[in-house]
Amino acid sequence: RKEVEQDPGPFNVPEGATVAFNCTYSNSASQSFFWYRQDCRKEPKLLMSVYSSGNEDGRFTAQLNRASQYISLLIRDSKLSDSATYLCVVRDSSYKLIFGSGTRLLVRP
Amino acid sequence: EPEVTQTPSHQVTQMGQEVILRCVPISNHLYFYWYRQILGQKVEFLVSFYNNEISEKSEIFDDQFSVERPDGSNFTLKIRSTKLEDSAMYFCASSVGPFDYQPQHFGDGTRLSIL
Repeated sequence: RKEVEQDPGPFNVPEGATVAFNCTYSNSASQSFFWYRQDCRKEPKLLMSVYSSGNEDGRFTAQLNRASQYISLLIRDSKLSDSATYLCVVRDSSYKLIFGSGTRLLVRP
Repeated sequence: EPEVTQTPSHQVTQMGQEVILRCVPISNHLYFYWYRQILGQKVEFLVSFYNNEISEKSEIFDDQFSVERPDGSNFTLKIRSTKLEDSAMYFCASSVGPFDYQPQHFGDGTRLSIL
């Protein structure tokens, strides 16, 4: 089983749409959870950390379900500039980040 | 906003040669990392470094690889006797600490092409 699993997409949505991405992780001892964004051939950029109670940052909402080992990201009112690959990232008890393969989002005018 | 900087942006090297990839982490950060991403694949952890020693390394980080902090600002990844399969994007990252509220910030990467 992959350590961090994501639907590769692409999700093709119109501007203004709401879109949700899901992610599952295999290690129940995982401690920290993040969503990173990666544009084509660029570095991963931290979008937001994911906390147990769920958290929101503007148009972005992240949820964590430890029992199901499931993380989600909701993007409301999609913008053209949201087009990117969204990486689900997990950290276990060590220092390293474990990346999913990413979900590609295309927002069309 | 402080950034992690990496040089060169693109390195082309003949198979079998040695390469050194350079990184300048954010100045008050204490933890340093190297990751790589083969084209079309996911980002993979290579090594973490703290207090002038390796704190963790992956199976990928074999004897071909080494890291060094030669002075107070640079953090380098050396790959000896490069192979075709070493072609990838190499990202340096740094963080203040190892905890989840101290996220890792990535440089814009070095694209390594082995011919």
